[in-house]
Amino acid sequence: NAGVTQTPKFQVLKTGQSMTLQCAQDMNHNSMYWYRQDPGMGLRLIYYSASEGTTDKGEVPNGYNVSRLNKREFSLRLESAAPSQTSVYFCASSKAQSHYEQYFGPGTRLTVT
Amino acid sequence: GESVGLHLPTLSVQEGDNSIINCAYSNSASDYFIWYKQESGKGPQFIIDIRSNMDKRQGQRVTVLLNKTVKHLSLQIAATQPGDSAVYFCAENISGGGADGLTFGKGTHLIIQP
Repeated sequence: NAGVTQTPKFQVLKTGQSMTLQCAQDMNHNSMYWYRQDPGMGLRLIYYSASEGTTDKGEVPNGYNVSRLNKREFSLRLESAAPSQTSVYFCASSKAQSHYEQYFGPGTRLTVT
Repeated sequence: GESVGLHLPTLSVQEGDNSIINCAYSNSASDYFIWYKQESGKGPQFIIDIRSNMDKRQGQRVTVLLNKTVKHLSLQIAATQPGDSAVYFCAENISGGGADGLTFGKGTHLIIQP
């Protein structure tokens, strides 16, 4: 099992450009999450999908959109990137009955210039 | 705002010694408390959890203690090894909070001295 995979690993964008971060899990988990991690701060939840077909805003959703494509895949889109979105982005998944035990991908390091 | 916080941003210990990482929380409605480990360049990894109705739980070389009276959580690592070098996050899960009920603290960087 690969667990949670994310692409790309690194990305540099210019202000105003758009891009989609991809995430997939092979653990048959119902719930998936997108977090951002900034220096000196913990993980902050951007969006989550409690189950296939549903998505909800987390703590910091502004500037992002998500798509739960199927049970395996959950993508995060930046429509018009801003320097404030420079961060490391992590995708995670969990079983529906144990949201606190999350499995994380390796992350995408995004720089917006 | 942050309801989970850590006492020290960096902890340095000698290889072979025991490490104790502390965490304070403020939300009495939390039903689970969790420790995650994040090695450099990787995503966080689940280590151990403890339910709010317990005060101690042991895993392999790790012990988590929960003191609800003073709202304090600690992670003890026995015989610290170089592979334990990482940032450790405590997190709390709000009871009934659903999939967005998990809140992470800022992390403690554990440094192992040879």
